[in-house]
Amino acid sequence: DIQMTQSPSALSASVGDRVTITCRASQSISNWLAWYQQKPGKAPKLLIYKASYLESGVPSRFSGSGSGTEFTLTISSLQPDDFATYYCQQYNSYGTFGQGTKVEIK
Amino acid sequence: QVQLVQSGAEVKKPGASVKVSCKASGYTLISYFMHWVRQAPGQGLEWMGIISPISGGTTYAQNFQGRVTMTRDTSTSTVYMELSSLRSEDTAVYYCARVSGDGYNDIWGQGTMVTVSS
Repeated sequence: DIQMTQSPSALSASVGDRVTITCRASQSISNWLAWYQQKPGKAPKLLIYKASYLESGVPSRFSGSGSGTEFTLTISSLQPDDFATYYCQQYNSYGTFGQGTKVEIK
Repeated sequence: QVQLVQSGAEVKKPGASVKVSCKASGYTLISYFMHWVRQAPGQGLEWMGIISPISGGTTYAQNFQGRVTMTRDTSTSTVYMELSSLRSEDTAVYYCARVSGDGYNDIWGQGTMVTVSS
């Protein structure tokens, strides 16, 4: 099974900050990686697919990069609506998730 | 619009089974695979398995082998997830999520809370 490891597990940031979240796969997954945002009590929402492709309607301050085993999600200028938990998911082999990164207000 | 609507919250006793439904609308069910994902309170997302609505073929995560059964009813555009031998650790929100052509989850149900308590 492919394991996904996210870091950090939580971070505190201010509005306007640049935020980067890392996701590592236990084996190469090419670019079969998605990023989701989840707010309390809600289903996850797709942000990025195929490592770097922005889902329609998602603000351009979100971007993704990486391939193989190492990936990043970057929020270029954190907005109040962005405080949430973020998950990566590999879909090279079914769909395992990272453990999540909670982005909190500093 | 494309959406997945899940059945309502359930409360079950340890040892019982639960069956959660997920009705697809706005698209043809058999055109896309479906994942089931669960989330225990305060925890992350856990992939449970996948069903092919056209064939009924399934693959389950190792953690759930022998306890989970995923089925579908194409006449009602509904997929089902049944989990048996429930224990308190199965208390969670259960989501169905459509699998895009590439493999990521582009549409999610609203979630179904399953509480296991004596």
